[in-house]
Amino acid sequence: QKEVEQNSGPLSVPEGAIASLNCTYSDRVSQSFFWYRQYSGKSPELIMSIYSNGDKEDGRFTAQLNKASQYVSLLIRDSQPSDSATYLCAVNRDQAGTALIFGKGTTLSVSS
Amino acid sequence: EAGVVQSPRYKIIEKKQPVAFWCNPISGHNTLYWYRQNLGQGPELLIRYENEEAVDDSQLPKDRFSAERLKGVDSTLKIQPAELGDSAVYLCASSLPGLGNNEQFFGPGTRLTVL
Repeated sequence: QKEVEQNSGPLSVPEGAIASLNCTYSDRVSQSFFWYRQYSGKSPELIMSIYSNGDKEDGRFTAQLNKASQYVSLLIRDSQPSDSATYLCAVNRDQAGTALIFGKGTTLSVSS
Repeated sequence: EAGVVQSPRYKIIEKKQPVAFWCNPISGHNTLYWYRQNLGQGPELLIRYENEEAVDDSQLPKDRFSAERLKGVDSTLKIQPAELGDSAVYLCASSLPGLGNNEQFFGPGTRLTVL
């Protein structure tokens, strides 16, 4: 079983819809969770971090964490064509500066 | 505030040739990471530095890869000799030191093509 799993997609949503991206992880001791956005040919850009169970909202983005189910998700409200990118889920075992374990990413396509 | 700087952005070399990548982290970020990203995959850690010390190099192929971070700021990653399978994007990231400060910020990367 891979440590961090994501559906590779593509996930296609119309402009203005809610995009839901999901991620599961295998290591129960994981403490820190991140979502990165990566445009084609560019490097990953941090968009959300979450450390506690529940929801965390930042503008149109909401990260949701359920440690009991080992599940983290990202909701993008009012999706825009500019949101079309690959979204990488990353997990860290502790809150110190150790390596991130990345999933393969989910490709999101928002059509206008 | 300036982000992570990397150079070169692109590099094309013949197999068996040496190559080096340079990284300058965000000011004040004592922790520096080198990741490699293959096409269609997430980044994978090669080496992590805390100041000058390499604290995690378990995934670094030490027969051909080497890295240094003299003076605890800039870092260089070297491959000698390069193989076809080394073609990838090499990403440098940095983060603040200490517990709770593990948001990692990536540079633009170096896209390496080995022919």
